[in-house]
Amino acid sequence: GAVVSQHPSRVICKSGTSVKIECRSLDFQATTMFWYRQFPKKSLMLMATSNEGSKATYEQGVEKDKFLINHASLTLSTLTVTSAHPEDSSFYICSARVSGGSASYEQYFGPGTRLTVT
Amino acid sequence: AQSVTQLDSHVSVSEGTPVLLRCNYSSSYSPSLFWYVQHPNKGLQLLLKYTSAATLVKGINGFEAEFKKSETSFHLTKPSAHMSDAAEYFCVVSVPQAGTALIFGKGTTLSVSS
Repeated sequence: GAVVSQHPSRVICKSGTSVKIECRSLDFQATTMFWYRQFPKKSLMLMATSNEGSKATYEQGVEKDKFLINHASLTLSTLTVTSAHPEDSSFYICSARVSGGSASYEQYFGPGTRLTVT
Repeated sequence: AQSVTQLDSHVSVSEGTPVLLRCNYSSSYSPSLFWYVQHPNKGLQLLLKYTSAATLVKGINGFEAEFKKSETSFHLTKPSAHMSDAAEYFCVVSVPQAGTALIFGKGTTLSVSS
């Protein structure tokens, strides 16, 4: 149980285009999902917290107009990188927190999406 | 404020020898602590977690960690390293009362030689 999927696993896009990444909790409901960015040989950097039915909360330094987050249902959050540039190339990882219960602190991670902007 | 420090950026061991990956944390509240492993170009896999129950926590693949409040440590150990253990390891703290998401250490790269 507690499986999180991401789609696509890898994407290559041209500079100036937009890319959407999906994060799904497959067998549980997640009122809260998180989006992380990981640079090569670096730790994960939290970009934003996505709450179902409300606006995402962005970390300091993350452009909300560039990284659009939509959490439309209890099992799906999307991250759209708008007007992508080569410096946006990175490994993007989402996680989902189980709604309620004693395990509400625990997060389950997706397999990540490798974005390359040419 | 909450923080986590992984004391070694890189650890190298020989196959069959013990593994020790060190982690210290700082928290104003009772934390939950996790160790995650990440293989190249893969997502994160939970190895084990501490959530205020037993201080010695056993995880998958023979790993275990001991929560020591007096030392604010949560070191990861394994008695005998395997080649497949070579990966990046992250120590993570979560403090639900503080409303924070997971806070990641900078990671420790474990290399295993034959």
